[in-house]
Amino acid sequence: QVHLVQSGAEVKKPGASVKVSCKASGYIFSNYGISWVRQAPGQGLEWMGWITAYNGNTKYAQHLQDRVTMTTDTSTTTAYMELRSLRSDDTAVYYCARDGSGTHAYWGQGTLVTVSS
Amino acid sequence: EIVLTQSPGTLSLSPGERATLSCRASQSVFNNYLAWYQQKPGQAPRLLIYGPSSRATGIPDRFSGSGSGTDFTLTISRLEPEDFAVYYCQQYASSWYTFGQGTKLEIK
Repeated sequence: QVHLVQSGAEVKKPGASVKVSCKASGYIFSNYGISWVRQAPGQGLEWMGWITAYNGNTKYAQHLQDRVTMTTDTSTTTAYMELRSLRSDDTAVYYCARDGSGTHAYWGQGTLVTVSS
Repeated sequence: EIVLTQSPGTLSLSPGERATLSCRASQSVFNNYLAWYQQKPGQAPRLLIYGPSSRATGIPDRFSGSGSGTDFTLTISRLEPEDFAVYYCQQYASSWYTFGQGTKLEIK
């Protein structure tokens, strides 16, 4: 059974960085990618980027590419998303999802990141 | 970037009625690589339809997807109480995926 378990909620100050983890189990980690999607309070879904687990290739949304880094650790089947220079409008629930050629059938539970002074 | 525009923003219907949700792309979606998701409050999205008419595992057959090129439709044939939620389309034709802004399906 596929599971994606994310790290816990974070509170950060403006200008800081946050790193969210996503532990995958129940499938061959290197056979799929991981997408990251965020959702600001009361808003829609925003795709942030994806990473292929087997070789670490990445694609980032253009408006985030200067501040985001996605990585994977195949030894622990864990994906990470780091967002730097946090602003108040980065406050959102951050989701990881297993990328199966562009569709996302499995999602993590979400991680709330709050940016506040 | 492919921009997806969903309509209507909110759809008010009663259980048992038919729902038709639209997703229009700013340019043709290669291979009709378009998916639909359902999201309920406090939950992660759930994949319903992909490609654009294949149902994901476990999705009831009252959900169907259609369309090609730039115009896509999600149809729910007979609404059940658990279908009232927000629905998003997503394209994966481009390496830079995008979501529509969502359609809220509410009980009339």
